[in-house]
Amino acid sequence: NAGVTQTPKFQVLKTGQSMTLQCAQDMNHNSMYWYRQDPGMGLRLIYYSASEGTTDKGEVPNGYNVSRLNKREFSLRLESAAPSQTSVYFCASHVHGDTQYFGPGTRLTVL
Amino acid sequence: AQSVTQPDIHITVSEGASLELRCNYSYGATPYLFWYVQSPGQGLQLLLKYFSGDTLVQGIKGFEAEFKRSQSSFNLRKPSVHWSDAAEYFCAVGALSSNTGKLIFGQGTTLQVKP
Repeated sequence: NAGVTQTPKFQVLKTGQSMTLQCAQDMNHNSMYWYRQDPGMGLRLIYYSASEGTTDKGEVPNGYNVSRLNKREFSLRLESAAPSQTSVYFCASHVHGDTQYFGPGTRLTVL
Repeated sequence: AQSVTQPDIHITVSEGASLELRCNYSYGATPYLFWYVQSPGQGLQLLLKYFSGDTLVQGIKGFEAEFKRSQSSFNLRKPSVHWSDAAEYFCAVGALSSNTGKLIFGQGTTLQVKP
């Protein structure tokens, strides 16, 4: 099992550009999450999907959109990137009664 | 408000010394608790978790943590630190009754190990 995979690993964008971060899990988990990690702030939840077909806002959703494409895949889209969105983005998946499993992260720089 | 506090942003210990990382939480529901470790440039790896039962839980790499409900704490300990333990450590709390699985994370504690 690959677990949780994320693409790309690194990305540099210019202000105003758009991009989609991809996440997939092969553990048949119902729930998936997108976090951003910034120094001194831990992980903050951007959006989550408790089950296929549903998505909900987390703590810091502004400037982002998500799509739960199917049970395996959960993408995060930046429509118009801003320097404040420079961060490391983690995807995670979860099944009830267990922990969350994390992907390796995407390091995004917005110039 | 629900929150997790890791009071120590940065800790330095000598190799072979004991370690305790503090975690305090504020949570309305019955919590389940986690410690994760993150090496530089890597994702988060689960060290240990507490759902119920014995309040002293054992994890990987020789770590343990003790859940103290009266103190709303879940401190992480290791008797003898190795240089490879240098990393960032995150405490997290969730609701056992929740079907969303959402977690709240602390700000993290960076551990430096002196030779």
